[in-house]
Amino acid sequence: DAGVTQSPTHLIKTRGQQVTLRCSPKSGHDTVSWYQQALGQGPQFIFQYYEEEERQRGNFPDRFSGHQFPNYSSELNVNALLLGDSALYLCASSLGSGGWGETQYFGPGTRLLVL
Amino acid sequence: DQQVKQNSPSLSVQEGRISILNCDYTNSMFDYFLWYKKYPAEGPTFLISISSIKDKNEDGRFTVFLNKSAKHLSLHIVPSQPGDSAVYFCAAKGMDSSYKLIFGSGTRLLVRP
Repeated sequence: DAGVTQSPTHLIKTRGQQVTLRCSPKSGHDTVSWYQQALGQGPQFIFQYYEEEERQRGNFPDRFSGHQFPNYSSELNVNALLLGDSALYLCASSLGSGGWGETQYFGPGTRLLVL
Repeated sequence: DQQVKQNSPSLSVQEGRISILNCDYTNSMFDYFLWYKKYPAEGPTFLISISSIKDKNEDGRFTVFLNKSAKHLSLHIVPSQPGDSAVYFCAAKGMDSSYKLIFGSGTRLLVRP
C-alpha cells in the first residue's frame, strides 16, 4: 500500500524564482493538505484541497498557491521566493469528510533552500 | 500566538523506563488531539490520537491522557526503547478549524541504551 509520496526531495532556488512541489496522496485518500516546517518548529498549515478546490487556508500570502488534480494528486506553487521560504514542505493526505476524528498521514517532505 | 505548546524541547530517558511527553493547549474549541513521531529526513508518522470525549487512549506501549480542565495532554511510552528516539509533535484539531492541524514545536526524545 503506497503511502504519501512527494517530489522532489530537495530543491535549491534563488530569491525571486518560482517553485512547484508535487504530492501523491495515500491510496484511497482524496484530500491533500500542505504544511511548512521551519527549522526547530512544528509544521504550519498552508492550505487544504478537496474535490479540486481549496477548502481552507492558513496565514500564508497569495504567493503560495496550489492545485488538486482529478486523480487527487496536488501541487504547491510558491512565487517570488524569499529567503524565509526555506523550509521543509510537507504534504498530508486524508479521507475527505474533514470532520471530527480525521487523521492526516504525512509524506517525507521536500526540503527547499532559497539562496 | 501559540495555541499548542510543548514546553520541553528535549527529554532523555533510560531504556526500559517510562517516557512522558507533555503538551498544553489554549483553545477550548479543540476536540481532537494527535501525536506524531518524526525521524530525521522523514515526514511525521501518526502514533495515536484521542477525542475530547475521552480521557485516555491506549495502543500497545503508547498511552495518551487528556485533562480537559487543565487543557493538558500527555503521551506515555512504556517501556521506552532506543528506536523511540525521535522528535514527538503534539497536534490539535478543532470545531472552529476542523480541517487543519495545529502543531506544537516538538520534544526531542532520546532513549539511552
